[in-house]
Amino acid sequence: NAGVTQTPKFRVLKTGQSMTLLCAQDMNHEYMYWYRQDPGMGLRLIHYSVGEGTTAKGEVPDGYNVSRLKKQNFLLGLESAAPSQTSVYFCASFPTGTGRREQYFGPGTRLTVT
Amino acid sequence: AQRVTQPEKLLSVFKGAPVELKCNYSYSGSPELFWYVQYSRQRLQLLLRHISRESIKGFTADLNKGETSFHLKKPFAQEEDSAMYYCALQSSGSRLTFGEGTQLTVNP
Repeated sequence: NAGVTQTPKFRVLKTGQSMTLLCAQDMNHEYMYWYRQDPGMGLRLIHYSVGEGTTAKGEVPDGYNVSRLKKQNFLLGLESAAPSQTSVYFCASFPTGTGRREQYFGPGTRLTVT
Repeated sequence: AQRVTQPEKLLSVFKGAPVELKCNYSYSGSPELFWYVQYSRQRLQLLLRHISRESIKGFTADLNKGETSFHLKKPFAQEEDSAMYYCALQSSGSRLTFGEGTQLTVNP
């Protein structure tokens, strides 16, 4: 059971470049989330998904797009990276139904935009 | 809209001293609150949640609806408690709203 994994772990982009961050979970969780973590600001929700084929905006969605084509994967895209998107990105998943209802986090992706 | 505030960005105590990390919230519904911990450059882990009223690694937190607070406490801090602590409030869609975080340093 790998839990929640994120690819890549680190990335450096130039302004204007695009990239996709991949989040995968093997726990059959319905809900998945993308957060960004910035010093002094905690974690802020970018986008989330409550099931395969669905996505919704969070607190700071501008400049990002997401897709949830398969239940186990949640992709975060940056179409035209900006220095303000330099951050650590965390993915999380959450089970519905009974059992231990908590968000499970991935290890993070450290992104630098120059 | 919900909001979580952690007034202390940095907190430093000596080993064996009591520690209290403050968390205040605003939410119109019935809150479900959590404390998450992040050790150096690792993923976030759930420390405890208010509904289970558990004690994890010696930490406890009591929900005070009158003061809208959910402070985290430990009577005797250990060096391995040094970490970033986040208070979080769960709302619809099981979304979490996080506070700004408190970096706890326990000195020997």
